[in-house]
Amino acid sequence: AQSVTQLDSHVSVSEGTPVLLRCNYSSSYSPSLFWYVQHPNKGLQLLLKYTSAATLVKGINGFEAEFKKSETSFHLTKPSAHMSDAAEYFCVVSDATTNDYKLSFGAGTTVTVRA
Amino acid sequence: GAVVSQHPSRVICKSGTSVKIECRSLDFQATTMFWYRQFPKQSLMLMATSNEGSKATYEQGVEKDKFLINHASLTLSTLTVTSAHPEDSSFYICSARDPRQVIFGSGTQLSVL
Repeated sequence: AQSVTQLDSHVSVSEGTPVLLRCNYSSSYSPSLFWYVQHPNKGLQLLLKYTSAATLVKGINGFEAEFKKSETSFHLTKPSAHMSDAAEYFCVVSDATTNDYKLSFGAGTTVTVRA
Repeated sequence: GAVVSQHPSRVICKSGTSVKIECRSLDFQATTMFWYRQFPKQSLMLMATSNEGSKATYEQGVEKDKFLINHASLTLSTLTVTSAHPEDSSFYICSARDPRQVIFGSGTQLSVL
């Protein structure tokens, strides 16, 4: 079975300061890991994904994440937060050995950005 | 790039009526689509996997007679909420696989009065 745990339900940062969203995963096999962002009443947008290539993954809008197998973590970071980064963020895991692309979502982290 | 179009984006209906939500893959064929439900301030929960030309696979606890899924073509899956009740009010999101990734629709906010 696969699952993810997002360690923070809410993160509040000042504009221009770094953002860190923490995610730990559990997977029986080689996982694929994703970070998605959701703005209010909108669908999901893929920020980045890890699929067993480079452990440091760069995504859109200045976000990046590092896959650490020894820590079973896939934390999301951004050096400088922007007001438009205020949204809900989901860490997602998929079992890379199957072909059904069934995704398991974390509970989500709400990011607020203070001016 | 590949796009998944979901329609309608918002629907309000009376209790007891049925509502159909469409999920279309644009510019690619999707043999598999997924339907999720999201309650306010909560994560997405997978409801079912929709397979083109065959019956959908429902997750445990999801009533298949309540949430009818039809995937009659390689570009269209529909979710019908039958005899809707206020507790069915939720945000429903579909996704589809293209060869490289999973792409999400923009979601449907269902409100049952």
